[in-house]
Amino acid sequence: EAGVVQSPRYKIIEKKQPVAFWCNPISGHNTLYWYRQNLGQGPELLIRYENEEAVDDSQLPKDRFSAERLKGVDSTLKIQPAELGDSAVYLCASSQRGTGGNEQFFGPGTRLTVL
Amino acid sequence: SQQGEEDPQALSIQEGENATMNCSYKTSINNLQWYRQNSGRGLVHLILIRSNEREKHSGRLRVTLDTSKKSSSLLITASRAADTASYFCATETSGTYKYIFGTGTRLKVLA
Repeated sequence: EAGVVQSPRYKIIEKKQPVAFWCNPISGHNTLYWYRQNLGQGPELLIRYENEEAVDDSQLPKDRFSAERLKGVDSTLKIQPAELGDSAVYLCASSQRGTGGNEQFFGPGTRLTVL
Repeated sequence: SQQGEEDPQALSIQEGENATMNCSYKTSINNLQWYRQNSGRGLVHLILIRSNEREKHSGRLRVTLDTSKKSSSLLITASRAADTASYFCATETSGTYKYIFGTGTRLKVLA
């Protein structure tokens, strides 16, 4: 079974440029998460989708970040314009909602460097 | 902001020794999970413990949960060089499906 797929794996851009990250979750997983992980820190949730609905985007900086999950499968996270402080690893995870908690499966991440 | 804090921040042990790391959190939880992250495999789920459970085992892993102290510990017995990684706790806040990760413990197992 294929895991969570993310692309690109690495991205280097100049500040003020736009950037987009793509995620394909595990087939059948209805919950999709985008996290940002700074160096030496744990992942911080940006947005969570249940199917195509964004149910928690309270941590998403909406002035420059946007996300979508069309048809409740693939998802795209966009930053426009990027700032120096956006340099981080962007992780996508998916899970199958069930009772008693659910294991999240993470993709390899996209390492973003903003110059 | 991150809810959990792992302690110690870094730990270095010899192969074969046991490693213990702790996680403290701030609010009521539904469950707590531990994840491992290394450069080769990314973030991988290790074990989940529900709020009504006190202890759980999985292979060489033993997790305890004390909800009165809002803390959990992860014990790795008979450590191996392959256990070298960062370990994170993640708590699901009560009444939500939101997971909040801690700051992580960097474990180094010396061969």
